[in-house]
Amino acid sequence: DAMVIQNPRYQVTQFGKPVTLSCSQTLNHNVMYWYQQKSSQAPKLLFHYYDKDFNNEADTPDNFQSRRPNTSFCFLDIRSPGLGDAAMYLCATSRGGLAGGNGNEQFFGPGTRLTVL
Amino acid sequence: KQEVTQIPAALSVPEGENLVLNCSFTDSAIYNLQWFRQDPGKGLTSLLLIQSSQREQTSGRLNASLDKSSGRSTLYIAASQPGDSATYLCASVEYGNKLVFGAGTILRVKS
Repeated sequence: DAMVIQNPRYQVTQFGKPVTLSCSQTLNHNVMYWYQQKSSQAPKLLFHYYDKDFNNEADTPDNFQSRRPNTSFCFLDIRSPGLGDAAMYLCATSRGGLAGGNGNEQFFGPGTRLTVL
Repeated sequence: KQEVTQIPAALSVPEGENLVLNCSFTDSAIYNLQWFRQDPGKGLTSLLLIQSSQREQTSGRLNASLDKSSGRSTLYIAASQPGDSATYLCASVEYGNKLVFGAGTILRVKS
């Protein structure tokens, strides 16, 4: 089945130790997104790639970076995790843009729960 | 800045009951609206996408409506089942490929 895959499902890191979260998709979608979701809160968009074009949200901390080496893969790098970065990180894809009369659905992976010690 | 509100924050109903979840948004200039389901500790599952030109969408026991002029969407669940227990999130689709989420409604269906 075509899907969005996130690895690992659970990640534990130490305060200040860089960590990378991985997302892959078999949907061949053009757009890939990264969200942060803290406990009992709504998901918050960090950034997204439309093909190779990177779009950063204005309030995303510089500590968060992303790479998309090809259509199928997208990575979230947290350069120096702090205790406040502990959260569920969700990857999502869409075939094209979300807006307009032919707006596309967004499909989510299962998430990676990050713990910072 | 768009704000999305969901009411109620939590809901507990007996099995078989029909129920309505509400979603409101402050800026009516949205493109589309999407409803999701999230099970504890899991990712989001798309339930329904309502295009800007549509007023409602149906999938099985689910029906979602959209009234852009009043800034409201509702999700109707018919004949609720224990397996429907989850958090339901609505999200408005904004310019720049952005979803703005509500905080969700936690639904518990008791058998």
